[in-house]
Amino acid sequence: EDKVVQSPLSLVVHEGDTVTLNCSYEVTNFRSLLWYKQEKKAPTFLFMLTSSGIEKKSGRLSSILDKKELFSILNITATQTGDSAIYLCAVPKGNAGNMLTFGGGTRLMVKP
Amino acid sequence: DVKVTQSSRYLVKRTGEKVFLECVQDMDHENMFWYRQDPGLGLRLIYFSYDVKMKEKGDIPEGYSVSREKKERFSLILESASTNQTSMYLCASLGIWGTEAFFGQGTRLTVV
Repeated sequence: EDKVVQSPLSLVVHEGDTVTLNCSYEVTNFRSLLWYKQEKKAPTFLFMLTSSGIEKKSGRLSSILDKKELFSILNITATQTGDSAIYLCAVPKGNAGNMLTFGGGTRLMVKP
Repeated sequence: DVKVTQSSRYLVKRTGEKVFLECVQDMDHENMFWYRQDPGLGLRLIYFSYDVKMKEKGDIPEGYSVSREKKERFSLILESASTNQTSMYLCASLGIWGTEAFFGQGTRLTVV
């Protein structure tokens, strides 16, 4: 059965800390892995990863994919209170027209 | 630059009412999805559609139906709303090659 699992479930850090969020997956016909940030409204797109070992970076956020070990990590350096959110990873499944499966999310809280 | 639009941000309906949630995307995406999001349960897939008039049940289809008569529009129907369908509903669309998925702004439905 295809699945996407995120860890930890929740995380509380202080401003300036670095955090690493994990997403492991088991899907048939893997094509890509997507990371989203969700604050109070709908999820907003962060990264799409398709190739192993190539880091995607946007400001203090970066992400990398390991297709051999079937996981991805999302790193946030020098965290700020505005990074507080739920972080979701999702994998489009290869069968039946790219059904999008989400992990359960990691709730990050950054304290001042 | 709106890509996915949901018809309502907030809805309050009475138990037993028939409820329509509309979603429109302007990216010519083949795949469209309806999720509901509840605290502690993450994003759960209700239904998805990979083409006009085609639909597949997700993880929690009971009490819901969908309609996709045109490629750009995907409707979620609650045949007889119940209080346990009070939730945030999110629509998403995804291109055929499993690239970035976009979300609508969400509809917070309250059934009283």
